[in-house]
Amino acid sequence: QQQVKQSPQSLIVQKGGISIINCAYENTAFDYFPWYQQFPGKGPALLIAIRPDVSEKKEGRFTISFNKSAKQFSLHIMDSQPGDSATYFCAASVTGNQFYFGTGTSLTVIP
Amino acid sequence: DTEVTQTPKHLVMGMTNKKSLKCEQHMGHRAMYWYKQKAKKPPELMFVYSYEKLSINESVPSRFSPECPNSSLLNLHLHALQPEDSALYLCASSQYSGASSYEQYFGPGTRLTVT
Repeated sequence: QQQVKQSPQSLIVQKGGISIINCAYENTAFDYFPWYQQFPGKGPALLIAIRPDVSEKKEGRFTISFNKSAKQFSLHIMDSQPGDSATYFCAASVTGNQFYFGTGTSLTVIP
Repeated sequence: DTEVTQTPKHLVMGMTNKKSLKCEQHMGHRAMYWYKQKAKKPPELMFVYSYEKLSINESVPSRFSPECPNSSLLNLHLHALQPEDSALYLCASSQYSGASSYEQYFGPGTRLTVT
C-alpha cells in the first residue's frame, strides 16, 4: 500500500516556468513532510520540508504548499532552470522514525 | 556540516563473495538507515538503527546483515547475494525518533552490481 501518492510521474517545463509536483497522503499521524532532489547516480538531497502546522514554506525558488484538510502537499519550483532537472521525491514521516516516499517525479527543464 | 559518507562508491561482487558497505556521519545523529534503490524507484527502507540498536528490519533477507559499531558508523555486510540485489545502496542519518528536528540526510550511495 502506497502511503504517499505522488504525481505527475514526469514533467517537462520551459526554462523560467513554474514546476509543480503534488503529493497526497492518508495517514493523519504524519507530522513531517520533506522533499528530496536526486540527480542520476547520487543520493537524494534534502531540499525543503514542512510541518503540518504551517500552510506554506518558502526557501529561495522552492515553496511547499500544505493543505492539511485535503491531506495534500505540493512543491513549487519558481523560475525553473535546466540545473533543476532531476528526480524529486516527496516523503512523509511520523516523529521522524520512518520515512515513506512517493514514487518520484522526473523533471526536465528545457532551455 | 550535513555530510554522510559511504564507501565504496562502486562494488562488483560475485554471488559467492562476502563484502561490506560502510557509512559514516559526524553530525551527532543517533538514527541511521540503510535503503535500497532501484533505477527510477524511490528509496526502499531496509534497516533502521536508533541509538545503535536495530529498531526496524523491513523483512530483509538474511544475506544482508547490518551492524552499527558506534553512533557514527553503520555497516552492511553482504553474503551470497543474487543478481536482483544489484542496486544503489543508500545510507542516511537523522537525529533520532521524536527529536525536535526530523531532517534526514543521505549519503551518495554505493552502486552494487552482483554478477
